[in-house]
Amino acid sequence: NAGVTQTPKFQVLKTGQSMTLQCAQDMNHEYMSWYRQDPGMGLRLIHYSVGAGITDQGEVPNGYNVSRSTTEDFPLRLLSAAPSQTSVYFCASSFPGSPLHFGNGTRLTVT
Amino acid sequence: DQQVKQNSPSLSVQEGRISILNCDYTNSMFDYFLWYKKYPAEGPTFLISISSIKDKNEDGRFTVFLNKSAKHLSLHIVPSQPGDSAVYFCAASARSGGSNYKLTFGKGTLLTVNP
Repeated sequence: NAGVTQTPKFQVLKTGQSMTLQCAQDMNHEYMSWYRQDPGMGLRLIHYSVGAGITDQGEVPNGYNVSRSTTEDFPLRLLSAAPSQTSVYFCASSFPGSPLHFGNGTRLTVT
Repeated sequence: DQQVKQNSPSLSVQEGRISILNCDYTNSMFDYFLWYKKYPAEGPTFLISISSIKDKNEDGRFTVFLNKSAKHLSLHIVPSQPGDSAVYFCAASARSGGSNYKLTFGKGTLLTVNP
């Protein structure tokens, strides 16, 4: 079982560029979410999905888009990257009411 | 405003002794609490949880205590081992309010267990 797989592991972008962070899970989890971790800030919820075709905003959604066309995949899109989006991004998934399983993260630097 | 607070950024203990990590919360809607452990360059991994209907939950060397009136929980690790050295995050959710999917995390505490 691969669990939650995030790609890429590292990415450097220039301000204004766009990119998609990929997240896939093979556990048939209904719930998927994206968090960002900044130094001294803990993890903050960006967007989440409770099932295919359903997404909603978390605590810090601005500058990010998501979609959930399949149960397995939950990509996070940055339409126009800004230095404030430099962070480590974690994708997570779970069954309803169960603890989140996290991927190993994508470290993004925006210059 | 921080709803989940871990006021100790770091903690250092000797191998074999007890580690106590603390967490406070302000949102009275929170009714489910979790502890996650994180090693460098890895994602957080679930450690232990507790529902607000309990005041203690135990799993091997790990015990979580919940004091609802004080809005305080703590994680006890006994005995501590060098492999326990990691960042520990406290997290909370409001399950009964329909927000069981959304976790609010504290800033984390770096635990170092010295051999």
